Amino acid sequence: QKEVEQNSGPLSVPEGAIASLNCTYSDRGSQSFFWYRQYSGKSPELIMSIYSNGDKEDGRFTAQLNKASQYVSLLIRDSQPSDSATYLCAVNRRGAQKLVFGQGTRLTINP
Amino acid sequence: GAVVSQHPSWVICKSGTSVKIECRSLDFQATTMFWYRQFPKQSLMLMATSNEGSKATYEQGVEKDKFLINHASLTLSTLTVTSAHPEDSSFYICSASGLAGGPSDTQYFGPGTRLTVL
Repeated sequence: QKEVEQNSGPLSVPEGAIASLNCTYSDRGSQSFFWYRQYSGKSPELIMSIYSNGDKEDGRFTAQLNKASQYVSLLIRDSQPSDSATYLCAVNRRGAQKLVFGQGTRLTINP
Repeated sequence: GAVVSQHPSWVICKSGTSVKIECRSLDFQATTMFWYRQFPKQSLMLMATSNEGSKATYEQGVEKDKFLINHASLTLSTLTVTSAHPEDSSFYICSASGLAGGPSDTQYFGPGTRLTVL
């Protein structure tokens, strides 16, 4: 079992709809959770971080964390073609410096 | 805030030469910097973690004598690819974490350096 798992996709969503990206992790000691966006040929860009159970909203993005079920998700409302990218879920274990990344989900927003 | 730069953005070199890549945190003190490598259509692969003033910690399978990392200050880390070969051609990305105004474990990525070895 991989430490951080994401569906590699591609996930296709029509413009204006809600895109839902999911991530599960295996280490119950994980304490920090991040979503990064990576456009083709570019480096990752931080979208959101979340540390506590529940929802965290930032503009069109909502991160959801459920530590009991060991999953974290990212919702993108009113999806735009510019949201088309690979979304990376990353997890930081307690006391660790380095992040563990999922393999990423490729999202395509169709006009 | 939390801007990380890399230089150069791309480099082409001949086989057998060495290439140095710089990573700078522009508006915060980076207590820890990370170096990643990414091949086309593949995931990020962590190469090493470096703390300011300490020797880098390399991931399993990464040759520390080939990929020299220096983190001499809180704003600068360098990666030197020694005796580069075509198989070292890749996208090298650094990230930094530290005193950026948010949680200290948040990593901010540089724009990456594309290395091509002929």
